[in-house]
Amino acid sequence: AQKVTQAQTEISVVEKEDVTLDCVYETRDTTYYLFWYKQPPSGELVFLIRRNSFDEQNEISGRYSWNFQKSTSSFNFTITASQVVDSAVYFCALSESGGGSNYKLTFGKGTLLTVNP
Amino acid sequence: EAQVTQNPRYLITVTGKKLTVTCSQNMNHEYMSWYRQDPGLGLRQIYYSMNVEVTDKGDVPEGYKVSRKEKRNFPLILESPSPNQTSLYFCASSLVGGVNEQFFGPGTRLTVL
Repeated sequence: AQKVTQAQTEISVVEKEDVTLDCVYETRDTTYYLFWYKQPPSGELVFLIRRNSFDEQNEISGRYSWNFQKSTSSFNFTITASQVVDSAVYFCALSESGGGSNYKLTFGKGTLLTVNP
Repeated sequence: EAQVTQNPRYLITVTGKKLTVTCSQNMNHEYMSWYRQDPGLGLRQIYYSMNVEVTDKGDVPEGYKVSRKEKRNFPLILESPSPNQTSLYFCASSLVGGVNEQFFGPGTRLTVL
């Protein structure tokens, strides 16, 4: 069965600090997809990134970057020069493409990031 | 604007009073799903639909029903709500299940007294 672990329940940083959110996943499928979502205090779930299991290239989007390592089953998310507006709960999620998976997103429990001014 | 909408956004009801939470998407997505979010338990899938007239149970389907008569709509029905169904509910859709990112509605906060 698929599983996503976000060991960091809460992280607090001061504005302009860099912060890395950890995500470790478990799956038996060779084809799967990893995602990060952001849930700000307003409550909606905002899609940030999708990565398939065959693409281990790291990705950078502005202040956000993602490090995907199949060898350690990790998909970590780094925010560079954090800002107060980055304060939110961040979820890592896994989707398997094989039959019987319901094509559901299995979410980690989330990491609450607080960026203080 | 491409979006997933849910109604109502907030609902307080009493035990046993049937209710429906509507979900609609305007992106012509095949896959739709319902999740509930509870403190300490994260997000869990209730039901999903691969396409019109194709629905199946997720991880926590007890006490819920769904239907998919049209591609854009995927209502969640609570025939006899109970207090343990108090939760934050999200509807989501994606172009194809399992491959593409799921886009979420704004959420419905349900309280069952």
